[in-house]
Amino acid sequence: GDSVTQMEGPVTLSEEAFLTINCTYTATGYPSLFWYVQYPGEGLQLLLKATKADDKGSNKGFEATYRKETTSFHLEKGSVQVSDSAVYFCALSKSGGYQKVTFGTGTKLQVIP
Amino acid sequence: DAGVTQSPTHLIKTRGQHVTLRCSPISGHKSVSWYQQVLGQGPQFIFQYYEKEERGRGNFPDRFSARQFPNYSSELNVNALLLGDSALYLCASSLDQQTYEQYFGPGTRLTVT
Repeated sequence: GDSVTQMEGPVTLSEEAFLTINCTYTATGYPSLFWYVQYPGEGLQLLLKATKADDKGSNKGFEATYRKETTSFHLEKGSVQVSDSAVYFCALSKSGGYQKVTFGTGTKLQVIP
Repeated sequence: DAGVTQSPTHLIKTRGQHVTLRCSPISGHKSVSWYQQVLGQGPQFIFQYYEKEERGRGNFPDRFSARQFPNYSSELNVNALLLGDSALYLCASSLDQQTYEQYFGPGTRLTVT
C-alpha cells in the first residue's frame, strides 16, 4: 500500500538556520503531495501542496518540489524562526475512489533563539 | 468563516464504555473524514463520508462507526473502548469527494482509563 517516510526528529536548529526535512513516498499512480504543520495543542494546518511532478509548493517561506524520479518531496526553508517550532507531517493523497490522506510519522522541529 | 469545529475538546472514558465525537465541517463542504492520531504518530485514516454515505474506510475494527447528517455534520462512535483507543481524533472537511485539499479541526483528545 501507499506509504510516506520522513526523517526522524527531533530537529533542533538555531534561529535563521537553513531547514531541510526529508520525505519520500511509495505509491501507485500519481499522488498529490502535501506538508502539514501541527503547532502545540492545535490541529493540522495545510502548509503547502503539489499535485504533479516538478510542481513546487510554497507558503510562508517554506517550499517543496515534487520529484517523481526520486519519489521525494523534501521541505526546505532558508531561515527558520522560533515561531516555526512545530511538528511537520509529509502526506499524500490520490484521486479516484474515496479520499484518504496517508501521513508520515511527523518530524518535530525546535528552533532556539 | 468558521473553520472545522469538533466537540468535545477533551474526554475521559473507562474501558468498555462507548463514546460519541462530533464534527461540523466548514460551511459549503460536503465531505467529512475522520482520523486517529496516536501520540507521536501521524494521523491514520478511519472513514470518509460524502453526501451522508460512507465512501471509504481504513483498517479499523467494527467498534468504530460514523454517520453524516443532512447538514453535513458528522459523528464518530466507538464502542467497547480499549486503552489503545486513547488518541487525538481529528475531523477534516473538504468541498467534495475528490478535492485533495482537506481542512482539519482542532481534534478531540480521548483518554481511556
